Amino acid sequence: AQKVTQAQTEISVVEKEDVTLDCVYETRDTTYYLFWYKQPPSGELVFLIRRNSFDEQNEISGRYSWNFQKSTSSFNFTITASQVVDSAVYFCALSEVSRRNTPLVFGKGTRLSVIA
Amino acid sequence: DGGITQSPKYLFRKEGQNVTLSCEQNLNHDAMYWYRQDPGQGLRLIYYSQIVNDFQKGDIAEGYSVSREKKESFPLTVTSAQKNPTAFYLCASSIQQIGRGELFFGEGSRLTVL
Repeated sequence: AQKVTQAQTEISVVEKEDVTLDCVYETRDTTYYLFWYKQPPSGELVFLIRRNSFDEQNEISGRYSWNFQKSTSSFNFTITASQVVDSAVYFCALSEVSRRNTPLVFGKGTRLSVIA
Repeated sequence: DGGITQSPKYLFRKEGQNVTLSCEQNLNHDAMYWYRQDPGQGLRLIYYSQIVNDFQKGDIAEGYSVSREKKESFPLTVTSAQKNPTAFYLCASSIQQIGRGELFFGEGSRLTVL
C-alpha cells in the first residue's frame, strides 16, 4: 500500500532562516505522482507542486525549491529566507497511476512556525 | 469566480443526528473527493467520485454516505453510525483522472458533536 511519511511534526524557525520539510514515500508502482500542499490558518489547502515519477529534476519557484530523489524515495521541500507568511501546515501527498488510478494519500503534515 | 464552495463552515450536531455537508464546484471538474482532517492525523479519504452517479469508498467510509446526482455537487452525510464525527471536513475536485491532477480544495466545514 502506498504511504507518505512526514517525520517532522512541528518546526520553528526565525525569519530569514532556510528550512527543509522532509517527505518520504513508499510505493510499488513505477508510475506515480508526488504533491506538496500548504494549509494556512484559514484551512483551505493550496496546491504548490506536482511531480511525476519520471521527472527527477529539481524545481525552484521563487523562495521554494523541491528535491526529488527516487533512490531514497524522498521529495523534500525547502523554503529559503523564510517569512512569517510561510507559517502553515505543509502536506506531502502521493498517488499511484500504473495499474489503477488511486486518489491522493497524504502525510500527516508538518506545522511550520516562522517567528519574526 | 470559479471554485469550490462548502457549507456550512461551522456545524454543531447532537449525538444521534444525521447531518449533511454541502460541496458545490463550478470548475467543470469531473472528479470530486471528501477528506477528513483530525489534529495530527493529516487528511484521510472518505469517498470519491470520478463521474456522475458513481462513487467509491475511501479509507474511512464507515458511517458516511454520499451522492453524485449532478456534476457540480457532491454532498456528504455524516450519519449517526459514525462513532467520532467531530472533525474538519474538506471537499476537493480535480480536472484530470483520479490521481493524475492536483486537487482544488474548498475552505472546509468544521463539525462538532455535542
